[in-house]
Amino acid sequence: SQKIEQNSEALNIQEGKTATLTCNYTNYSPAYLQWYRQDPGRGPVFLLLIRENEKEKRKERLKVTFDTTLKQSLFHITASQPADSATYLCALDGAGSYQLTFGKGTKLSVIP
Amino acid sequence: EAGVAQSPRYKIIEKRQSVAFWCNPISGHATLYWYQQILGQGPKLLIQFQNNGVVDDSQLPKDRFSAERLKGVDSTLKIQPAKLEDSAVYLCASSSLAGELFFGEGSRLTVL
Repeated sequence: SQKIEQNSEALNIQEGKTATLTCNYTNYSPAYLQWYRQDPGRGPVFLLLIRENEKEKRKERLKVTFDTTLKQSLFHITASQPADSATYLCALDGAGSYQLTFGKGTKLSVIP
Repeated sequence: EAGVAQSPRYKIIEKRQSVAFWCNPISGHATLYWYQQILGQGPKLLIQFQNNGVVDDSQLPKDRFSAERLKGVDSTLKIQPAKLEDSAVYLCASSSLAGELFFGEGSRLTVL
């Protein structure tokens, strides 16, 4: 069966360090993968989209990699700040249908 | 640009009662989604509309849930009768063809 796994439910990191979050998937051939941020009591907010033929994408302090051989995406936040504390969700489009399946998310806490 | 509007933000009902949630997507977005997010989980797709037609409702519990998007703009999700396990946040999202989803703030349902 199809599965999306985000490496941990919670991740604590010191301010200024790089946070790395992992998303692994099985039995998918995604056309693209997306990362979202969700704050408590709010809807998810889109951060980055990476396509199957792209290895890496960057946006300001954010970097996403996508390895279709390993079936894994890594999401990095460099120079992390307490304001980066949130839950980060990985989402896959299974067949280019503009229909996303989400992982459970990783709750990131950046400690001052 | 106005975002995705949802109402009500909060609703508390007794089991076996009915409830309806409303969503107005971003202007011009043809695709509209309803997701269910249970505490500690990622969003789970219930139904996807393209204009006023249903693209996928395979995960919608049709014995109690219904959704419509009559004029291809706003949408209503109804639950009747509600069960305890329906307690969740109901998220509406819309998208253009770029692929990323724009979510509303969600409607939090508590079933007692």
